[in-house]
Amino acid sequence: QKEVEQNSGPLSVPEGAIASLNCTYSDRVSQSFFWYRQYSGKSPELIMSIYSNGDKEDGRFTAQLNKASQYVSLLIRDSQPSDSATYLCAVNLASNYKLTFGKGTLLTVNP
Amino acid sequence: DADVTQTPRNRITKTGKRIMLECSQTKGHDRMYWYRQDPGLGLQLIYYSFDVKDINKGEISDGYSVSRQAQAKFSLSLESAIPNQTALYFCATSEGEETQYFGPGTRLLVL
Repeated sequence: QKEVEQNSGPLSVPEGAIASLNCTYSDRVSQSFFWYRQYSGKSPELIMSIYSNGDKEDGRFTAQLNKASQYVSLLIRDSQPSDSATYLCAVNLASNYKLTFGKGTLLTVNP
Repeated sequence: DADVTQTPRNRITKTGKRIMLECSQTKGHDRMYWYRQDPGLGLQLIYYSFDVKDINKGEISDGYSVSRQAQAKFSLSLESAIPNQTALYFCATSEGEETQYFGPGTRLLVL
């Protein structure tokens, strides 16, 4: 199993819909999880960090963490065309103490 | 002013040339990183530094070297550039294992 896995997409949703992005990771004891957004040709920018099981909400974004199942997800409510970007999941893997990135999921929000 | 800066932003060079990419940060973070990003391959870690005297190879260090001149400066060198080093290069910083903050990137083309 790859250390951090994401569906590459593209994921296409209509404007106003909920976009759901998923990520699984290999190391059961990992403690820190991050979602970054990256527009084409630009640098990744942090959207959310999550450390505990459950949901964490910030505006239209909700991160969900389930350590037992080793997955973390990002929900984007009321999706806007400006949300169209690649979303990168990153996990601080306990196995190597480094932030490891998934390859990203390309999200397209159609007007 | 940006917290993490990279110079140059764009660079075209020829095969066999030595080039240096520079990164500076004003965030006061102890850790600095160099990544490269190729389409479809996500972010790959080249080198990372936990402090001025602690430098470590990442997953793709061959053909690259780094120098941590000060806590705020971390440079990446390509000793003899080759075309497959054409990529987007990002510097990032973090305080311990916390969130990584990225610079704007350097787009490198090796002819």
